[in-house]
Amino acid sequence: AQTVTQSQPEMSVQEAETVTLSCTYDTSESDYYLFWYKQPPSRQMILVIRQEAYKQQNATENRFSVNFQKAAKSFSLKISDSQLGDAAMYFCAYRSAMAGGGADGLTFGKGTHLIIQP
Amino acid sequence: GAGVSQSPRYKVAKRGQDVALRCDPISGHVSLFWYQQALGQGPEFLTYFQNEAQLDKSGLPSDRFFAERPEGSVSTLKIQRTQQEDSAVYLCASSLVWPGGDGYTFGSGTRLTVV
Repeated sequence: AQTVTQSQPEMSVQEAETVTLSCTYDTSESDYYLFWYKQPPSRQMILVIRQEAYKQQNATENRFSVNFQKAAKSFSLKISDSQLGDAAMYFCAYRSAMAGGGADGLTFGKGTHLIIQP
Repeated sequence: GAGVSQSPRYKVAKRGQDVALRCDPISGHVSLFWYQQALGQGPEFLTYFQNEAQLDKSGLPSDRFFAERPEGSVSTLKIQRTQQEDSAVYLCASSLVWPGGDGYTFGSGTRLTVV
């Protein structure tokens, strides 16, 4: 079974600064997808960014970028120019590219609480 | 609809009571997922539907949990004889197709408290 580990329960950053959230995962599969989700107090999980394991290039979405190290099984999220609206829980998630046998759902880490200091 | 809608938003149940949680996915989305999120934890996969077919229920914690999607749109998660350990947020998500690398669209969840 796959596991996702987020070792930082909480991170704090000054507004306009850059912060990096860590995520490692364990899998024996070679093809899979990785995601970062944001969960504000409204509880809705919002997709921030995704990465396909077979792609070498790191994904980027505006102020959000990832550092995907497949050999190290590491998938960190960098948030540049942090804004007050970025404050939320951030979850790293893994999904197999295969179907069935419990592989259909996302496997989430425990989350990192991001605090933005004004 | 424009997003995934879940109801009720909050539910308080007495231990032993049966509850039913509703998920209305985005119109036309083939895949539908249920997750359970305990306090301070990440969501955990419960079950997956492709249209009306329940293709994966490996995450359901016990036979007290039952999910259905009879017409391939709205889904209901039913918990019988609720226990305190069932207290959690139940999240529903849908996606247009599966497999695929697209992330899913989540609803805002139902917070279930069993007293």
